[in-house]
Amino acid sequence: DAGVIQSPRHEVTEMGQEVTLRCKPISGHNSLFWYRQTMMRGLELLIYFNNNVPIDDSGMPEDRFSAKMPNASFSTLKIQPSEPRDSAVYFCASTDTLKSLHFGNGTRLTVT
Amino acid sequence: GQNIDQPTEMTATEGAIVQINCTYQTSGFNGLFWYQQHAGEAPTFLSYNVLDGLEEKGRFSSFLSRSKGYSYLLLKELQMKDSASYLCAVRGLPSNTGKLIFGQGTTLQVKP
Repeated sequence: DAGVIQSPRHEVTEMGQEVTLRCKPISGHNSLFWYRQTMMRGLELLIYFNNNVPIDDSGMPEDRFSAKMPNASFSTLKIQPSEPRDSAVYFCASTDTLKSLHFGNGTRLTVT
Repeated sequence: GQNIDQPTEMTATEGAIVQINCTYQTSGFNGLFWYQQHAGEAPTFLSYNVLDGLEEKGRFSSFLSRSKGYSYLLLKELQMKDSASYLCAVRGLPSNTGKLIFGQGTTLQVKP
């Protein structure tokens, strides 16, 4: 199994630009999560999907953030417009809900 | 609300034993997880407790007391490669989605 696949691994962009992060969960997993990790706030849950349906987006910082899961094998997290305070590592994780989350390698986002 | 507390940093000597504590207050409880995260990498699953008591897996053990809202991760025969951040996470309700809330993590430094 290839594990959770995220792209890109690194993204550097200027303030005001649109950023799209991508995730392919492990095949057969029915729950997908987007987390953000910073030194100050640790690992924060942004949003999660169950069977492609958004269940809880209360962690999404503001309207500039949006996430979609058009099918069981793909999800996107979009930031528009991006701001320097969005700089962080964004992790996608999936699970079959039986035990643990499996994390992707993350996308390191830098907004200048 | 939900709150998960663990020490920020710990230092231990190669070959020794170290215990990393975690206390939690969450709305509902359906399991406590420990993850290991090396610098620049994704979190990886270490252990899972849902009932009170000790779970042992090789050099790593994890303990849970639900009545006290307390867990610890015990690392024996420390090796240099154990230097990493250790994240405590709780699965609340609903239990069928796999949603985890993470603590800030404990950075463990193993010295020769």
